[in-house]
Parts: sequence; structure tokens; C-alpha cells
Amino acid sequence: QSVLTQPPSVSGAPGQRVTISCTGSSSNIGAGYDVHWYQQLPGTAPKLLIYGNSNRPSGVPDRFSGSKSGTSASLAITGLQAEDEADYYCQSYDSSLSGSRYVFGTGTKVTVL
Amino acid sequence: QVQLQESGPGLVKPSGTLSLTCAVSGGSISSSNWWSWIRQPPGKGLEWIGEIYHSGSTNYNPSLKSRVTISVDKSKNQFSLKLSSVTAADTAVYYCAREYYDSSGGLFDYWGQGTLVTVSS
Repeated sequence: QSVLTQPPSVSGAPGQRVTISCTGSSSNIGAGYDVHWYQQLPGTAPKLLIYGNSNRPSGVPDRFSGSKSGTSASLAITGLQAEDEADYYCQSYDSSLSGSRYVFGTGTKVTVL
Repeated sequence: QVQLQESGPGLVKPSGTLSLTCAVSGGSISSSNWWSWIRQPPGKGLEWIGEIYHSGSTNYNPSLKSRVTISVDKSKNQFSLKLSSVTAADTAVYYCAREYYDSSGGLFDYWGQGTLVTVSS
């Protein structure tokens, strides 16, 4: 039931830069609602990684950055490290009366080669 | 540091009712936050189930609304989820989470560790 679309997987060598896109619509990202990103390490709960489109909670390395434009958002990881191998989800609020109040992306698996 | 802990049966029979509780520690459930349930089927993505405020106000995902009830117990600092008429499609890891909501929407800043609920006879 995901309303936000992400690529299923991205990969990169250690030290490289990878980006993950998150495409929504006029009832969520395009309506001006913030996009947030979560990192889910294997077997663990999601952890807030980026909030308010581009802000990092305390403790999140600055190699993670986020941006938003129009009906889309992106997460970038620069200087990729082995410990970044995880699933990443974007999330936003949706104002559609017939849909879920909160929507998540389809998820992207990041593989460090 | 807010902590959330889910508890409840790990196995539910088809057509039965799934019941889970989320205990909140390190903070009050009566704070100015909403509290949510989110689930993740094995190998799949995240789905928001619904939310509750300490006043008892609720919002549910329309796709589950007819089967979901979320309640709060302020005296125990916990909230609960009931999902009725379950099928194998309801097999998932269920997470409880704290919301931070403002005019720009909401996010989930604290999560429980999750509990796997399997629907099987």
C-alpha cells in the first residue's frame, strides 16, 4: 500500500556516493509536507535518519543528507561505509481523505560492494 | 530517553483477534504526542496502522479501519492495538512508535523493537 516510490536497490563501493529517490504526489510531498528518512539495519526497528527533508538528528553522521523538490525527495550517502548497508525508507504525511494519514516509501536496499 | 516495548501473543489463529500492548517508559503518554502502530510483513515495507492521543482520539488507516481498535491506558502509561478477523496477510512485525506532529506533517522519532505476530492455525 506504499504511496511513495523508491528504487528497490542501490549499490556502491566503499567511499562512493549513492542517492535514493522518493517520488510522491500532490497529496503528500507535492502538498508541501516534510519528508523523513529511516534506516533499518537487518533485524532491527527503523531509526530516524533525516527529518524535515534535510535535518539530521543528533548522532547521525554528516555523510547522510536529504533534499526535497516538487513531488520528490532524495537521500544521499557520501563516503559509503560497510555499516551503511541497510534498508532505507522515506515517509511523509498524506492529505488524501481516502488514504492513509502517513505513507512510507517502498524501501531501498543499499548494498556496499 | 523515551523507550517503547511491545508485548502480546506471537501466534494468532485465522479469524481471531490480534492484541498487542505498547508500554512507554522514560516519558509520559500524556505528553503532546500522538502514538502509532506500524507493521511490516516479512520481507516487505512499512504500513501505518493508526494512532491515538492521550485524550483517546484516534485515526486509522482506511484500509484497516473496519478491523482496528487502538486504545490508551494513561494509568499504566501504555496503549494497545486490537486487529480483528485476522488472516495470513496480517502476519507481520508490529511496531509501536511515538509521533512528533506539527504543521509540516508528522514523523516517528522513537520506535519499539517490534514483535512478530504470525497468523496460523
